[in-house]
Amino acid sequence: GDSVTQMEGPVTLSEEAFLTINCTYTATGYPSLFWYVQYPGEGLQLLLKATKADDKGSNKGFEATYRKETTSFHLEKGSVQVSDSAVYFCALSDQDNDMRFGAGTRLTVKP
Amino acid sequence: DGGITQSPKYLFRKEGQNVTLSCEQNLNHDAMYWYRQDPGQGLRLIYYSQIVNDFQKGDIAEGYSVSREKKESFPLTVTSAQKNPTAFYLCASSILRQGRQPQHFGDGTRLSIL
Repeated sequence: GDSVTQMEGPVTLSEEAFLTINCTYTATGYPSLFWYVQYPGEGLQLLLKATKADDKGSNKGFEATYRKETTSFHLEKGSVQVSDSAVYFCALSDQDNDMRFGAGTRLTVKP
Repeated sequence: DGGITQSPKYLFRKEGQNVTLSCEQNLNHDAMYWYRQDPGQGLRLIYYSQIVNDFQKGDIAEGYSVSREKKESFPLTVTSAQKNPTAFYLCASSILRQGRQPQHFGDGTRLSIL
């Protein structure tokens, strides 16, 4: 079935460092792709999404590009802040319209 | 402000006991979902409901039950048949035309076994 694989964490960065969290997917057809963020003690929030190949989702300085040729949707941010510390989930919406989530990557940003 | 309220935040269950987790939303969303989150794993769908008085099993429905008597409410019961209930439970909602793609999540309930 459709699935998402994201890089294992935890990831620890210094403030203002460049962030990349890798995400690749396996899917039948052309899924929509998502990144969610979960701050400590809270539920998930939709961070960004892309619905077709070459689309770029962006929000709060984060970006991800839907790459069909590499089946990837890597999350990037040019300069992270302490407040970005959270768990990030990559997800896809499969052909049955069900969401499939990755295992999550914990990011810690140190001042 | 509109949102999803889950209660309680922490819940403890004794062996052989059923417990019910509450989820209420004031977003006027038609669809509601329950997910289970375990450490190092993604979210897994337990149940979802697209309309009042109707709900469907997700990937891991065994040992759980739900009801949808009102649009705003979607309580989850963890029954004694669920042998490994310790997890973080998330409720979510969406408008119907989003398919089964949750848009808003509650802050979760952490369930532990005594």
